[in-house]
Amino acid sequence: AQTVTQSQPEMSVQEAETVTLSCTYDTSESDYYLFWYKQPPSRQMILVIRQEAYKQQNATENRFSVNFQKAAKSFSLKISDSQLGDAAMYFCAYRSSNGGSQGNLIFGKGTKLSVKP
Amino acid sequence: DVKVTQSSRYLVKRTGEKVFLECVQDMDHENMFWYRQDPGLGLRLIYFSYDVKMKEKGDIPEGYSVSREKKERFSLILESASTNQTSMYLCASSLWGANYEQYFGPGTRLTVT
Repeated sequence: AQTVTQSQPEMSVQEAETVTLSCTYDTSESDYYLFWYKQPPSRQMILVIRQEAYKQQNATENRFSVNFQKAAKSFSLKISDSQLGDAAMYFCAYRSSNGGSQGNLIFGKGTKLSVKP
Repeated sequence: DVKVTQSSRYLVKRTGEKVFLECVQDMDHENMFWYRQDPGLGLRLIYFSYDVKMKEKGDIPEGYSVSREKKERFSLILESASTNQTSMYLCASSLWGANYEQYFGPGTRLTVT
């Protein structure tokens, strides 16, 4: 069974600085998708960024980028120029591309990010 | 924009009551999901549905059932609520396909006393 591990329960960053959130996963599959979701306090969970395992190029969305190391099964999220609105719980998630339980996300336990003004 | 709504933001029920949590999505998504979110445990899948009247168990289905009579609506049912079911419940929906993102509702914080 696949697992997702986020080893940092809490992180803190100064406004305008850069922070990296770690995520590792375990799978025997070669084709899958990885996601970072953001859950602001008392607000809905939203997708931050997505990575297809078959793509070597790291995904980027504005100030958010990932470092995808397939061999190491690592998928870290880098937030550049941190803003107060980035304060949230961040969840790393894995989804198999196979059939059966297709569509299911397997989540890590989350990292709570605080942004200091 | 995709919209996923849940019937209640906060709910307080007594032990042994039957509880219904409703979720509605407006984007004609095939897949719908119910998760439970607890501090330090992340999100755990309870049930999901990939079509009307179709359902599959997730990781923690015990004590729960679901119903999907219409494509846009997915209900989570606690047949006899217990205190250990006090939690945040999140509904999500997506198109059919592993590469599509899931869209989440605002969550229902259920307290069972």
